[in-house]
Amino acid sequence: KAGVTQTPRYLIKTRGQQVTLSCSPISGHRSVSWYQQTPGQGLQFLFEYFSETQRNKGNFPGRFSGRQFSNSRSEMNVSTLELGDSALYLCASSSGQSTNEQFFGPGTRLTVL
Amino acid sequence: AQRVTQPEKLLSVFKGAPVELKCNYSYSGSPELFWYVQYSRQRLQLLLRHISRESIKGFTADLNKGETSFHLKKPFAQEEDSAMYYCALSADSNYQLIWGAGTKLIIKP
Repeated sequence: KAGVTQTPRYLIKTRGQQVTLSCSPISGHRSVSWYQQTPGQGLQFLFEYFSETQRNKGNFPGRFSGRQFSNSRSEMNVSTLELGDSALYLCASSSGQSTNEQFFGPGTRLTVL
Repeated sequence: AQRVTQPEKLLSVFKGAPVELKCNYSYSGSPELFWYVQYSRQRLQLLLRHISRESIKGFTADLNKGETSFHLKKPFAQEEDSAMYYCALSADSNYQLIWGAGTKLIIKP
């Protein structure tokens, strides 16, 4: 099976811009979770989508949003970028059943200048 | 509230020495605990989960419900064990993983 893919791998944006990141899960997986990873804060949960519905949400401001399509591909959007949004954004897919293993993508490295 | 605590941000040990990465959790139900590992320039990946009771790459972890702990242990550390380790909890009330802050393990030669 092909693994989780994320595009783009690297992004450079300036403050105030918006950005859209994409994640393609493993075939057959219906759940996609998004995380922000920074050296200081570790792994922070953003949200999880299952069958096109947001099922769980972390404690991030409304500038962070996401969606999931019928083929389970997911996008996350960050509007009005701030310097502090610079991070590695990871997505993970799973079957969506309880206690199931999450498979991670390589991440998108976002730099906000 | 559900919480996972990894008290050590950084752990440095010599090659051949025993390693123990601590993980404590807070959850009143029946948790499932995981250890994930991220080697340099590699994806975050599952190392082991408590229900499988396996030893992976020489690592073991036992769920201690009395002490609410799930410490990761290896008797003899190897240089290739250097990585970032995350402990995670899956609560049976939802499908979200609760993550610890991670411990960076450095194995000195």
